[in-house]
Amino acid sequence: GIQVEQSPPDLILQEGANSTLRCNFSDSVNNLQWFHQNPWGQLINLFYIPSGTKQNGRLSATTVATERYSLLYISSSQTTDSGVYFCAVVRAAGNKLTFGGGTRVLVKP
Amino acid sequence: EAQVTQNPRYLITVTGKKLTVTCSQNMNHEYMSWYRQDPGLGLRQIYYSMNVEVTDKGDVPEGYKVSRKEKRNFPLILESPSPNQTSLYFCASSLAGYTDTQYFGPGTRLTVL
Repeated sequence: GIQVEQSPPDLILQEGANSTLRCNFSDSVNNLQWFHQNPWGQLINLFYIPSGTKQNGRLSATTVATERYSLLYISSSQTTDSGVYFCAVVRAAGNKLTFGGGTRVLVKP
Repeated sequence: EAQVTQNPRYLITVTGKKLTVTCSQNMNHEYMSWYRQDPGLGLRQIYYSMNVEVTDKGDVPEGYKVSRKEKRNFPLILESPSPNQTSLYFCASSLAGYTDTQYFGPGTRLTVL
């Protein structure tokens, strides 16, 4: 099956800092999503981005499908950004969402 | 409000006592699925459904059953729960299938004693 690797596994930020999270995948994909799991366990859909660039407020994401990676940018981080960020993909000709291991982010005030 | 709902949100039960976790979506989505999340193992798909009366196994279907009698509902049934089914469960739905944006429910934290 497809391999999805996220880096770094852990990230500690001071409030106001910027950061970049990375997702590498081992095969062609036709779905890529970024999720934020908040401290209460809820999975919040951030981006549907199988290719290209999108922005939503302080968050933006870029997927370079030909090079098999995606980046999530957090700018001016806030304590509410804390949690685990997951990348999930569907392999081309596949039929299920495969999740990466996540990046655990802690934003300190 | 467009959403995926799950009930119950928290459940503590005992081994062998049948239980059902309900999942409902109000977005007229075709595709629904169930995942479990475990420390160190991440999120894994249990079952999915492409449409009414069409269901299929995911990666970890053993010990679970599902049904899709109506488009909006996709209950997860544990006929005889065991402690290794203690987990955080998520239901998800999408408009057009696994290649489309997946929307997740709030999660159900299940403990089997």
